[in-house]
Amino acid sequence: DTEVTQTPKHLVMGMTNKKSLKCEQHMGHRAMYWYKQKAKKPPELMFVYSYEKLSINESVPSRFSPECPNSSLLNLHLHALQPEDSALYLCASSQGLLTSGSADTQYFGPGTRLTVL
Amino acid sequence: KNQVEQSPQSLIILEGKNCTLQCNYTVSPFSNLRWYKQDTGRGPVSLTIMTFSENTKSNGRYTATLDADTKQSSLHITASQLSDSASYICVVKGSTLGRLYFGRGTQLTVWP
Repeated sequence: DTEVTQTPKHLVMGMTNKKSLKCEQHMGHRAMYWYKQKAKKPPELMFVYSYEKLSINESVPSRFSPECPNSSLLNLHLHALQPEDSALYLCASSQGLLTSGSADTQYFGPGTRLTVL
Repeated sequence: KNQVEQSPQSLIILEGKNCTLQCNYTVSPFSNLRWYKQDTGRGPVSLTIMTFSENTKSNGRYTATLDADTKQSSLHITASQLSDSASYICVVKGSTLGRLYFGRGTQLTVWP
């Protein structure tokens, strides 16, 4: 199983809503990532978890709150978002943190298309 | 400044033709370079990964080259198919902290 799954596929929410994005992998990977991707732009790194601990937070606003309940799951809790937060949110995983010289590969999920009204 | 530049920004070719996409980078120190294919609204899928010592790597109709001296890579697609229509993203991994640097991608459209 070399798949990263994400739910939901699409999400529409108002600025006062609270919602969560979910990501799951069963490859035994110990590093998981959240990216934000706007149209025709490359993915932008938001958070990195390693061994279920937050390793990197790229100065993301607090209205985005990540959570890693176990080694297979990664959530992104959303609250009080702005319309400019509308984007494709990608989850990825890798065997370990990409800090070694190995040819480790990130596997991406299909993404959640988020629209904030 | 660590950057990854891709060209062309977009490309249209006819089905069955070949094409070559370019990636130039300034990331240093360098660890490896990946080419990803991303269909619209989907997550990127890895095509090839190349380390410093590798010059060429193939994956079916995709062949990637790497010149670590000039910091250039190319992705050659042979006998293009309609399903090759996608964005192709070059991603360079730096050795420091293993940070990934993404290019903006080349949008390839294959016409019948």
